[in-house]
Amino acid sequence: EIVMTQSPATLSVSPGERATLSCRASQRVSGNLAWYQQKPGQAPRLLIYGASTRATGFPARFSGSGSGTEFTLTISSLQSEDFAVYYCQQYNSWPPAFGPGTKVDIK
Amino acid sequence: EVQLVESGGGLVQPGGSLRLSCVASGFTFRSYAMSWVRQAPGKGLEWVSAISDSAGNTDYADSVKGRFTISRDNSKNTLYLQMNRLRADDTAVYYCAKTADTAMANPFDSWGQGSLVTVSP
Repeated sequence: EIVMTQSPATLSVSPGERATLSCRASQRVSGNLAWYQQKPGQAPRLLIYGASTRATGFPARFSGSGSGTEFTLTISSLQSEDFAVYYCQQYNSWPPAFGPGTKVDIK
Repeated sequence: EVQLVESGGGLVQPGGSLRLSCVASGFTFRSYAMSWVRQAPGKGLEWVSAISDSAGNTDYADSVKGRFTISRDNSKNTLYLQMNRLRADDTAVYYCAKTADTAMANPFDSWGQGSLVTVSP
C-alpha cells in the first residue's frame, strides 16, 4: 500500500503571502494525485485532481504541480477564506490513500 | 447540483451495529462508483470502503474488513454502509463520497455533510 506524507503539519502564513504545501508518496503515483480543502465543521472539497487541474469553483491562485512521488500545492496570495486543512490523496494504486494533512493558519 | 445526504449515525455500544444511508441526487447515481470515508475526531481522512457503479465490485480498508458491508440500491439512488461489531476506534464522522468516474480508482468530487458515529459504553 502507498503511504502519503505531507509537510509541514502546520503552516502559518499572513494574508496576501504565498503558501507552499508538499505531499510525498511512498511509491510513484504518476499524476493521479488530488488535493482537498477542509474547513472546520465542513466536509472536504475537491480542489485539485490530476496533480494540476483545478476543480470547479476554485480560483486561479490555487495551483498544483508534480508527478511521480513529489507534489506541491501553491496558494499564490492567501485570502481569509483559504485558511483550512489541505489533504493530498493518491488514486493511482488501490487502496486510495490520504496524507495526514497540512493546516494553514493565520500568522 | 450534486447532493449527498447521509443519515443513520448515532451512539452505539461496543459490539453493536449501525447502518448508514446516503441518498444521492443531482447526478446519474447508477453511473458512478461510490465510497465511504471517515474522519475520527481531530484526525485526518481515512478511506473505508468503495463500491462500483453496478455493485459488482466492492472493497474495504483492512481496519473494517469482515465487519462492514457496503451496498447500494441504484433504483433508490442510495448508498449504504452496514457496520457490525463496532469498536471504540470506529468513532468518526462518516462521509459518503462520489467518485469522479465509473471506476473506483478516482478522486472524490462530491461529499456529503457527514454522519457522526460514536461507539461508547
